[in-house]
Parts: sequence; structure tokens; C-alpha cells
Amino acid sequence: SQTIHQWPATLVQPVGSPLSLECTVEGTSNPNLYWYRQAAGRGLQLLFYSVGIGQISSEVPQNLSASRPQDRQFILSSKKLLLSDSGFYLCAWSRGGTNQPQHFGDGTRLSIL
Amino acid sequence: GENVEQHPSTLSVQEGDSAVIKCTYSDSASNYFPWYKQELGKRPQLIIDIRSNVGEKKDQRIAVTLNKTAKHFSLHITETQPEDSAVYFCAAGILTGGGNKLTFGTGTQLKVEL
Repeated sequence: SQTIHQWPATLVQPVGSPLSLECTVEGTSNPNLYWYRQAAGRGLQLLFYSVGIGQISSEVPQNLSASRPQDRQFILSSKKLLLSDSGFYLCAWSRGGTNQPQHFGDGTRLSIL
Repeated sequence: GENVEQHPSTLSVQEGDSAVIKCTYSDSASNYFPWYKQELGKRPQLIIDIRSNVGEKKDQRIAVTLNKTAKHFSLHITETQPEDSAVYFCAAGILTGGGNKLTFGTGTQLKVEL
């Protein structure tokens, strides 16, 4: 069966520091991968998605970037964090193709001080 | 781009009653409509989904209906139980570049009271 791992679970970072969140998927090949941000009490906003190694689509202009160095690894990064980057970050995966369900990881709660 | 509106934002029902959550979408090209349940501090979990070639789908106490003409879809939970209390999100999906891109509603906080 497929599993998705995200870490760390929680992170407290000072403003201006760098960020690296990692997500890996097991049990499937060539998944579609997604990064979402969820502000407190709000819905999920798609930040990036990837259909293959090195292929990244950005959905909203922001202070973050994403990379996919391996088939089942998706990384969310920032060179300098802003206060507004605080939130709950969720990675998700789906099979490639039409109308495939997305399955979420446990998320990383990021607090910027 | 796609815009998904979800109502109500909060919903309280008595145990055993039914709960209905409604969503509308704007892009007629959307063809996939999942529903997620998120308990406090946890990951969203897919509970049911429907594709645009189907008008209704049911799984035990949960059902989803889709009206493509009106561009709205609804989640129905019957015989609600306390463990149904959570935030529910609808989403509309559109195929793009080989992957499905989902746009989520803002969520409905469902509280099932004893």
C-alpha cells in the first residue's frame, strides 16, 4: 500500500531564516505531488504541484519554492521566511491521470517568530 | 481560475439527524469533486468523491450529489454520530498537464450534539 511521510511535524523558525520541508511517498511510482498551505480556520491553498522529476508548477506568487529531485520526493523551501509564511503545510500525492484522488500527509505546522 | 464556494461555514445538528453541506463551482471544465474530512490538527482524509459523469454516489451514511448544469454539489450525512464532528471540505478538480488540480472550499465545521 502507499504511504506518504512529511517532516518535521512542527517547526518554529525566526523571520529571515531558511526553510526546508520534505515529503516522500512510498509504494507507488511516478506520483503527482502537491504542496498546500492551510491558514488557521481556512481552506487549503495549492502552492505547487509536480507531475514528474524536475517538473514544478507554481500556483501563487510567493516567498516559497519547490523541488522534486527524485521521483517520490518533494521539497518545499524558502531562502528567507516571512511572518506571513506561518501556517499548516500539507503534502499530497495522487496517481497520474484523470480524476485520481489526492491523499495527504500529516502536515507540518510552521510558526514564524 | 476555478472558484469554489461552500456553505454553511458552521453546522450544528442533533445526533441522529441529517447534515447537508453545499458547494458551488465556477469552471464548467471541472470534472472531479472530492470531499474531505479533517479532524482538529490532523490530515484531511478523503471520504467520498464523484466524477462528472455521475449524478449521485452513496457510501453507507454518506452521499454526494452533483448538478453539472447548476454547477453545484452537496454532501449528505444521515444518522449523524458524534464522531462525524469535524471540518468538511469540498473541492473541484480539473485535469491539467497530466495531473488533477483541486480548488478547495473554505470548509464547514460540523458539530454533532448529543
